Amino acid sequence: DAGVTQSPTHLIKTRGQQVTLRCSPKSGHDTVSWYQQALGQGPQFIFQYYEEEERQRGNFPDRFSGHQFPNYSSELNVNALLLGDSALYLCASSPGPGRASGNTIYFGEGSWLTVV
Amino acid sequence: QQQVKQSPQSLIVQKGGISIINCAYENTAFDYFPWYQQFPGKGPALLIAIRPDVSEKKEGRFTISFNKSAKQFSLHIMDSQPGDSATYFCAASMLSRGGGNKLTFGTGTQLKVEL
Repeated sequence: DAGVTQSPTHLIKTRGQQVTLRCSPKSGHDTVSWYQQALGQGPQFIFQYYEEEERQRGNFPDRFSGHQFPNYSSELNVNALLLGDSALYLCASSPGPGRASGNTIYFGEGSWLTVV
Repeated sequence: QQQVKQSPQSLIVQKGGISIINCAYENTAFDYFPWYQQFPGKGPALLIAIRPDVSEKKEGRFTISFNKSAKQFSLHIMDSQPGDSATYFCAASMLSRGGGNKLTFGTGTQLKVEL
């Protein structure tokens, strides 16, 4: 049973560029969330997707956008990259809302983004 | 606004000792409190979790103690081992009006278990 998988694992981008990160949720999970983890800090919630719609959003600018596909996989897009966007980007999956185990959230290994 | 406060920031424990990490929350709407373990360069791994209707939950060497009235919860690691050396995050979540949930994390505790 594959867990949450993310790609790429590492990437380096230049200020002003755009980046797309990808995530496949754990088998049986249909809800995907994205978190940003700066070095030495706890993960910060970016947004969550369920049924291909953004359901919740954290305190992140519109430069951060996402998408969920019919197979529940998801993409995180960041436009106009800033140096401060350098972080570990984590994808998390969980069973859909309404399920008893809906709070059980599993994380992938993350995508390390460095903006230079 | 920091909704989940975690302490200590770092902790050194001797092998075989007990590691204790504390967290306090502010929002009484939180209804799920997980702990995550994170090794360098890896994503957080779910360790153990508790709901507010239970005061204690034990899984192997890991125990969560929960005090609803004080809005505090703690992780106890019994018989700490060098392999437990990692960063530990407490978190809290609640179901939103939209039906989803999001985790609010503490600031993390770097645990080092020495031989």
